[in-house]
Amino acid sequence: AQSVTQPDIHITVSEGASLELRCNYSYGATPYLFWYVQSPGQGLQLLLKYFSGDTLVQGIKGFEAEFKRSQSSFNLRKPSVHWSDAAEYFCAVSPGYALNFGKGTSLLVTP
Amino acid sequence: KAGVTQTPRYLIKTRGQQVTLSCSPISGHRSVSWYQQTPGQGLQFLFEYFSETQRNKGNFPGRFSGRQFSNSRSEMNVSTLELGDSALYLCASSLSGTTHENIQYFGAGTRLSVL
Repeated sequence: AQSVTQPDIHITVSEGASLELRCNYSYGATPYLFWYVQSPGQGLQLLLKYFSGDTLVQGIKGFEAEFKRSQSSFNLRKPSVHWSDAAEYFCAVSPGYALNFGKGTSLLVTP
Repeated sequence: KAGVTQTPRYLIKTRGQQVTLSCSPISGHRSVSWYQQTPGQGLQFLFEYFSETQRNKGNFPGRFSGRQFSNSRSEMNVSTLELGDSALYLCASSLSGTTHENIQYFGAGTRLSVL
């Protein structure tokens, strides 16, 4: 069965510092991978997706993610974090219809 | 283009009651999926509707049901509410739900509190 693991429940970074959120997946075939962000009281907003091709994908708000098949990972990165990036981040894998989500990583940004 | 709209945003019910949540997908989207989000279990897939038919279903009891109308709008119903049904219910729409088009766009959710 497919699954997604986000090892870090909480991460704190200083504004302006770089960010990397980890995501590991377990899936038998080529995965379709997503990162979503959820601000308090809001729904999920798609940051970026990987279906195939270039393993480095660019998303919105300056985020990027790299697909590494050998490590079964799809880590999310941002070179310089802004205070408005504080939110919950979810990695997800899809077999084609439903999304299987990780438990999420809560990002706190300090001044 | 308007996004996914969920109504109501907040609901308070008591145990044993039933509740209906509504979701209007993005115009042109034919697939609607429902998810339950709780602090303990995270985000869990409930079911997916396409062309008025339930096409996929998650691992939830029969108290959770849904339907889709010809205009792709969807409703979700929970009968005989339990305290554990308190959650944020999220609706997502996509073009058709097939792999390459399965980019799901989410609404803001309905926060259900069961007392």
